[in-house]
Amino acid sequence: DARVTQTPRHKVTEMGQEVTMRCQPILGHNTVFWYRQTMMQGLELLAYFRNRAPLDDSGMPKDRFSAEMPDATLATLKIQPSEPRDSAVYFCASGLVQSGYGYTFGSGTRLTVV
Amino acid sequence: GNSVTQMEGPVTLSEEAFLTINCTYTATGYPSLFWYVQYPGEGLQLLLKATKADDKGSNKGFEATYRKETTSFHLEKGSVQVSDSAVYFCALDDAYGNKLVFGAGTILRVKS
Repeated sequence: DARVTQTPRHKVTEMGQEVTMRCQPILGHNTVFWYRQTMMQGLELLAYFRNRAPLDDSGMPKDRFSAEMPDATLATLKIQPSEPRDSAVYFCASGLVQSGYGYTFGSGTRLTVV
Repeated sequence: GNSVTQMEGPVTLSEEAFLTINCTYTATGYPSLFWYVQYPGEGLQLLLKATKADDKGSNKGFEATYRKETTSFHLEKGSVQVSDSAVYFCALDDAYGNKLVFGAGTILRVKS
């Protein structure tokens, strides 16, 4: 089965450091989402892309978060500087818009900021 | 805007009990509807889907029917197992190709 690959799986970093999370979407998918999951807030949509163009990043704190798709095989989510409240699991998902097939999620990056 | 409302959990059942997790939605147009499942320590997996009114999605003994008249997509299973313990998310993909919108998730615990 085709998979969405996220790296790293786990990341522990100190407050103030830069963190970059990567996602390799499934080949041929034209939509990529970034979600953050915490116990308190549940699943929050941070940003999403269609055909590599950003459609909505209103869920991201703009001063510290940035999301890009430098090419069709890579999506990145960067936090600079990181803060303890950013500790969460970050998921990437990809799919074909309006296909009705749903979206495939990666296994997530568990980020801990100390 | 589009939204999904799920019943609050946790839902605790004994093995072989009947399961219903309620889900209602608000959307313009004709969204596709999904149930995702998340096992401990893992990502979300698509469990089943329905793309138009009266469609029934089914997988692994789970079923849900797209009810446009009641704007609902309730998840059911006739006989749950301990291995079904997980968090279940209802979601919609609106007809205009915008955001995938999730409900808050419902924790299911099945006891042997």
